[in-house]
Amino acid sequence: AQSVTQPDIHITVSEGASLELRCNYSYGATPYLFWYVQSPGQGLQLLLKYFSGDTLVQGIKGFEAEFKRSQSSFNLRKPSVHWSDAAEYFCAVGLNNAGNMLTFGGGTRLMVKP
Amino acid sequence: SQTIHQWPATLVQPVGSPLSLECTVEGTSNPNLYWYRQAAGRGLQLLFYSVGIGQISSEVPQNLSASRPQDRQFILSSKKLLLSDSGFYLCAWSPGTDEQYFGPGTRLTVT
Repeated sequence: AQSVTQPDIHITVSEGASLELRCNYSYGATPYLFWYVQSPGQGLQLLLKYFSGDTLVQGIKGFEAEFKRSQSSFNLRKPSVHWSDAAEYFCAVGLNNAGNMLTFGGGTRLMVKP
Repeated sequence: SQTIHQWPATLVQPVGSPLSLECTVEGTSNPNLYWYRQAAGRGLQLLFYSVGIGQISSEVPQNLSASRPQDRQFILSSKKLLLSDSGFYLCAWSPGTDEQYFGPGTRLTVT
């Protein structure tokens, strides 16, 4: 069965510093890959997605992610973090199966120091 | 553009009482619909999904049920709530590809 691992439960970075959130997946083929962000008490917002093609994907709010097949990874990056980026981030894998279900990682909570 | 609504935003219910949470989608037709639960400090658990009216698939056995009486309406119900049903309930829709779009959620507290 497919699985998604986000190794870091909590990450704290200083405002203006760069950010990388890790995501690893387990699946036999190339999955569809997603990053979502959730602010406290809110729903999830889609940041970016990878279906095929260029392995470096640009998203909203200045985020990007890179698909590395050899490492089964899809890490999320941002060159300069803003205080408003403090939130929980979820990586997800889609398998283009019946129902188009997603498998989510456990999430990484990002805190931003002033 | 498409929008997704969830009602109510917050709910406090006693143990043993019934539950009905509603999700509606606007601006699209025949979406896939999903119910997730997010317990405090934990990830998302898929509860139900639907690919069409009256078609419900359950992912986790529990005392909850789901119905889709109309194309863009998805309802989560329970006849008798348990303390363990407390959590943040999220509805999502998909246009039939793997990307999903989430509603604002309902915070349920069972007392």
